[in-house]
Amino acid sequence: GDSVTQMEGPVTLSEEAFLTINCTYTATGYPSLFWYVQYPGEGLQLLLKATKADDKGSNKGFEATYRKETTSFHLEKGSVQVSDSAVYFCALTNTNAGKSTFGDGTTLTVKP
Amino acid sequence: DTEVTQTPKHLVMGMTNKKSLKCEQHMGHRAMYWYKQKAKKPPELMFVYSYEKLSINESVPSRFSPECPNSSLLNLHLHALQPEDSALYLCASQGGGGPPNEQFFGPGTRLTVL
Repeated sequence: GDSVTQMEGPVTLSEEAFLTINCTYTATGYPSLFWYVQYPGEGLQLLLKATKADDKGSNKGFEATYRKETTSFHLEKGSVQVSDSAVYFCALTNTNAGKSTFGDGTTLTVKP
Repeated sequence: DTEVTQTPKHLVMGMTNKKSLKCEQHMGHRAMYWYKQKAKKPPELMFVYSYEKLSINESVPSRFSPECPNSSLLNLHLHALQPEDSALYLCASQGGGGPPNEQFFGPGTRLTVL
């Protein structure tokens, strides 16, 4: 079956540091890949997505590239802020109205 | 309107109570989901409705009963819950067509079972 493996956390960084959260996947077919973010006390929000190989998703300074050859979708940001502190989930979806597969989540804490 | 709303925000119930969670979206999405999320864990799928019909039930105990009265509304009826059912319950919706789409999540209902 499908699976998503995320870099283990938690991750603690100083403000303006570079962020990488690794995500690798195994899947059949042609899944879409997503990064969702969850702030304390809230639901998940889409951060960025990519629907086919070599697509780059980007939003709010975050980027991730869909790499089919390495089955990866690593999340990066050049300079993190305290407000980026949250839990980040990598996910894949093979079909609409179907089951999505989520990684275990990575908790990011950014200190001033 | 790209919002999924959920009510109530918080719910405390005893093991003999009956309560319902509500979810609403007006994006015209025809797939709607219920998830259960424990602290510091990913969401666990419970149910999927597609075009108002239940299409996926992840072997959820019968004390959870979903209902989709129309294309905009999704309910989760709760009865005789156990303390281990305490969690954040998330609703999500998803549009169709094209490659697999993202899900839009509501803010969740924080459920405590005493």
